[in-house]
Amino acid sequence: DAGITQSPRHKVTETGTPVTLRCHQTENHRYMYWYRQDPGHGLRLIHYSYGVKDTDKGEVSDGYSVSRSKTEDFLLTLESATSSQTSVYFCAISESANNEQFFGPGTRLTVL
Amino acid sequence: GENVEQHPSTLSVQEGDSAVIKCTYSDSASNYFPWYKQELGKRPQLIIDIRSNVGEKKDQRIAVTLNKTAKHFSLHITETQPEDSAVYFCAASELTGGGNKLTFGTGTQLKVEL
Repeated sequence: DAGITQSPRHKVTETGTPVTLRCHQTENHRYMYWYRQDPGHGLRLIHYSYGVKDTDKGEVSDGYSVSRSKTEDFLLTLESATSSQTSVYFCAISESANNEQFFGPGTRLTVL
Repeated sequence: GENVEQHPSTLSVQEGDSAVIKCTYSDSASNYFPWYKQELGKRPQLIIDIRSNVGEKKDQRIAVTLNKTAKHFSLHITETQPEDSAVYFCAASELTGGGNKLTFGTGTQLKVEL
C-alpha cells in the first residue's frame, strides 16, 4: 500500500459539532482527494488538492471545507456535522493528474 | 457533469466461470476509465485502467474493453477464483492536467461460489 494514513480511523460525534479528518502521505505526491462512500452511491468526490494551498470542489462539497498547508497533509473539515454526513471517508493520492489514485484506509464517521 | 451507471449490482458465478461487469458513461469528454476492487472493510484498489486511445487492455485474467461510440466499458474476469469475491467499481474522468475528478459507478458485488 502507498504511504497513506488517515486519522482518526473511527469517530462518533454529535450533530452540530465540528469534525476534522486528516490524511497524511509520505509519497510526496502532488494530488490529494477526499471521497465519501455510502451504500448505493459508490464513492463521491468531495474536494481535491493539486498542490499546497491549491484546492477545488468536487461533486458533493456542500458542508465540507479542506486545507492543505503542506504537501503531506490534507485536512477535511465538517464545520457543523449533520447526520447526513455519516459515511466512510477515503483519502486518495496521485503523483500527477494523469496517474492512478491510491486510497487510504478510510475513516468511519458516525454523526448522531 | 459525468454520470456513470454500473450493472449488475450483484453477480454470482461458479468458480472457473467468467464474470462481466458493464458501465456506461454520459460525458463524451471522459478519456480515463479505471476499475477498482474493494474487499469488505478494505480500501479500494486499482486493478486495471484504460484510456480512450485504446479499445482493450488485458492483465492476466482481467481485461477491460471500451466502446467510445456507445460510451460504455466492461470488465471481464476469466477463470474466477474465490479470492475474486469483492465489490468492483468502475469510474470515468476527463484527464485535463488539473486534477483527476473521478465519477464512480455504484458498484457490483461479485460472489464466486465453490
